[in-house]
Amino acid sequence: EADIYQTPRYLVIGTGKKITLECSQTMGHDKMYWYQQDPGMELHLIHYSYGVNSTEKGDLSSESTVSRIRTEHFPLTLESARPSHTSQYLCASSDSYRQGIIVDTQYFGPGTRLTVL
Amino acid sequence: AQKITQTQPGMFVQEKEAVTLDCTYDTSDPSYGLFWYKQPSSGEMIFLIYQGSYDQQNATEGRYSLNFQKARKSANLVISASQLGDSAMYFCAITGANSKLTFGKGITLSVRP
Repeated sequence: EADIYQTPRYLVIGTGKKITLECSQTMGHDKMYWYQQDPGMELHLIHYSYGVNSTEKGDLSSESTVSRIRTEHFPLTLESARPSHTSQYLCASSDSYRQGIIVDTQYFGPGTRLTVL
Repeated sequence: AQKITQTQPGMFVQEKEAVTLDCTYDTSDPSYGLFWYKQPSSGEMIFLIYQGSYDQQNATEGRYSLNFQKARKSANLVISASQLGDSAMYFCAITGANSKLTFGKGITLSVRP
């Protein structure tokens, strides 16, 4: 199983502030992901990375940006937070092998609940 | 494109009874994987069980089993001997050649004592 850490768990911030949501994993997984989830709704992929210096935008358009300079670290940044960014942000990483079979099982961090006033 | 459909309204089950959560899917990939995740009110996503499209047997993990019917494109989750701690939202998800997960809208399960 993966150990995925996200900080902060909760963040309340004013409009226009720059924020960085941290995500780290200790299992050496190459693939990492960011999802956005509104309360009681499905998850939407906003960014993913298949390795160092590799980042791609997901299915849901987002004003956030990501970087992947180290395998274990995948931070998400909002240059200027707005109330529309209020949501939960979940980070995940995946391994490619499960019992010898190629499977990309994604393991999630605890999430960051962001509120922009 | 891949799609997951979860249409059940909120589900209720008596403690110690079994419950089935429905999931149907659509995909054009010949090889794919199906996942179930649990999300308690605290917000984290907990991986429960995986079924590969070419797996001959239905997956089982403790009290969780996946009723995989490929021809019907369904992957229902069965929870046996429900516990109060099973109360949560449950998400079905699918992945294909691009390794990206597509989630359904989720089902809320409430376990009654």
